[in-house]
Amino acid sequence: SQQGEEDPQALSIQEGENATMNCSYKTSINNLQWYRQNSGRGLVHLILIRSNEREKHSGRLRVTLDTSKKSSSLLITASRAADTASYFCATLSGAGSYQLTFGKGTKLSVIP
Amino acid sequence: NAGVMQNPRHLVRRRGQEARLRCSPMKGHSHVYWYRQLPEEGLKFMVYLQKENIIDESGMPKERFSAEFPKEGPSILRIQQVVRGDSAAYFCASSPTTGTGPKRRRTSTDTQYFGPGTRLTVL
Repeated sequence: SQQGEEDPQALSIQEGENATMNCSYKTSINNLQWYRQNSGRGLVHLILIRSNEREKHSGRLRVTLDTSKKSSSLLITASRAADTASYFCATLSGAGSYQLTFGKGTKLSVIP
Repeated sequence: NAGVMQNPRHLVRRRGQEARLRCSPMKGHSHVYWYRQLPEEGLKFMVYLQKENIIDESGMPKERFSAEFPKEGPSILRIQQVVRGDSAAYFCASSPTTGTGPKRRRTSTDTQYFGPGTRLTVL
């Protein structure tokens, strides 16, 4: 079974609106991380939230984690055209673990 | 401090040829990870290496694929006798060594920093 499934698969919004992406996972985790990938490019690390944290902020990004529901959300406020990218959640599970398990991502399009 | 470097960025090979992908981790990082991304998919873990050691290669196909991280130079992911199904983006990530001084621990940390990837196309 796949850890880290994002939804929706694709999201299209107007510039200035907020974008919310969700991620669900199946097994217990050490932490959950969100990455951004611009088309044809590498991954940029956005934010990491540990299993004992519930919410984290970084600039226009807000991440929540609900371990009881095994889910996380990424909120991008006041979106910009430059936010257009694919967003992936990745989980790290188990003591001393290092294998990030990625979902298939959410494709966000921000229309100017 | 330069980020993770990968080259080449694009690689085209014919079936049966060898593909060699290189990754230079960030300065001060001693842990290297390779991931593969098929079209419209997330990344899948392949192998985790430290200098001169393969720590975990559980995600790597048993045949044709090999990886190394020598004492000097970049990490290399080698794919022999490539097939069309090997076409994908291959990403390398690195993470730092924890601790300082003579007793510093060589353990992986949580955040992995990714390179720009090598896009392999097999004709």
